[in-house]
Amino acid sequence: EPEVTQTPSHQVTQMGQEVILRCVPISNHLYFYWYRQILGQKVEFLVSFYNNEISEKSEIFDDQFSVERPDGSNFTLKIRSTKLEDSAMYFCASSAWQGIAKNIQYFGAGTRLSVL
Amino acid sequence: DAKTTQPTSMDCAEGRAANLPCNHSTISGNEYVYWYRQIHSQGPQYIIHGLKNNETNEMASLIITEDRKSSTLILPHATLRDTAVYYCIVTSYKLSFGAGTTVTVRA
Repeated sequence: EPEVTQTPSHQVTQMGQEVILRCVPISNHLYFYWYRQILGQKVEFLVSFYNNEISEKSEIFDDQFSVERPDGSNFTLKIRSTKLEDSAMYFCASSAWQGIAKNIQYFGAGTRLSVL
Repeated sequence: DAKTTQPTSMDCAEGRAANLPCNHSTISGNEYVYWYRQIHSQGPQYIIHGLKNNETNEMASLIITEDRKSSTLILPHATLRDTAVYYCIVTSYKLSFGAGTTVTVRA
């Protein structure tokens, strides 16, 4: 069964450093998403991406964050200057978007980001 | 997206049906009811979704009331591996996760 792949599974970084989290969405999907989950809290939407553009973003997704689809397979989330509060599990998701009747999002296993 | 209300937690005996309720009284006409679950901090997993008709797949059944203000997810024969947080989400596009229901299946 096709799956969303995220790397690395765990990323440790120093405060102020840049990190790039990588995702390989399901191959025929066109819509991509990033979510995050701070330990013990809810899963929060960050951003959605379609046709090489951000289609929607949350208040969390400020200027420190950016997304990119650098080639035909990868989808990345970059945090420019990490803060302690960026420590969280980051989930990538993708969907085929067959209209609102069938927008099933498939999630990766996540990248645990630890900012020290 | 419409707000949903779910019980905080529930227990279920292994092999029995688990019935998970969800209230979504402010649902609008173009919004679907989606159910996802998250097993121990893994990525959320899609279970089932519906608009107004009852739905069934290999994982679960979804019963939506006629007025669409509430729904019930049914896991027909719960196993220990069904222990997870279950999220009821009403949406037309973006997934907004609440706190969900923590379901513990006991042997």
